[in-house]
Amino acid sequence: AQSVTQLDSHVSVSEGTPVLLRCNYSSSYSPSLFWYVQHPNKGLQLLLKYTSAATLVKGINGFEAEFKKSETSFHLTKPSAHMSDAAEYFCVVSPFNTGKLIFGQGTTLQVKP
Amino acid sequence: GAVVSQHPSWVICKSGTSVKIECRSLDFQATTMFWYRQFPKQSLMLMATSNEGSKATYEQGVEKDKFLINHASLTLSTLTVTSAHPEDSSFYICSAISLLDYEQFFGPGTRLTVL
Repeated sequence: AQSVTQLDSHVSVSEGTPVLLRCNYSSSYSPSLFWYVQHPNKGLQLLLKYTSAATLVKGINGFEAEFKKSETSFHLTKPSAHMSDAAEYFCVVSPFNTGKLIFGQGTTLQVKP
Repeated sequence: GAVVSQHPSWVICKSGTSVKIECRSLDFQATTMFWYRQFPKQSLMLMATSNEGSKATYEQGVEKDKFLINHASLTLSTLTVTSAHPEDSSFYICSAISLLDYEQFFGPGTRLTVL
């Protein structure tokens, strides 16, 4: 079975400093991986996705993630945090060709001024 | 971009009543829609896959007689919570896969509170 584990339930950074949100996945074959963001009282928004093309995936709002098969990781990074980045972030895996999404537990990103 | 709407955005009902939640793809067609539920400060859990013109497929542990799903057209899926109880109080989110490019888009969610 496929699954994802987000290693931190809560991350706090200062504005302007780098962001690292960690995610490990478990899959018997090359998975499709996603990062979604959920702002309070707003719908889920896709940040980026990996579908076996380039291992370094660039997303919206300056976020990027690197697929590392040897480490079974798909960590999300951003060079410089902005106050508007404060939200809940979900690492997600999708079983092959089903469209189903399996969500990680979520990481709350707090950005301090 | 593609838009998925949900109606209502929030609902409060008495225990024992049934509540219907609609999920619509506004500017695209979707043969497949998904229903998730999210408890406060928790992750999303997939409840069921809704396919247009056929029966929904439920995830393990989800009561199909309690959570009735109907996908009558390429733009509308409904989730009916039957005989709702306080433990059914949750945030229900739908998503839809576009026939055009197979991208998946999420609705804004419906908050259900059962008194």
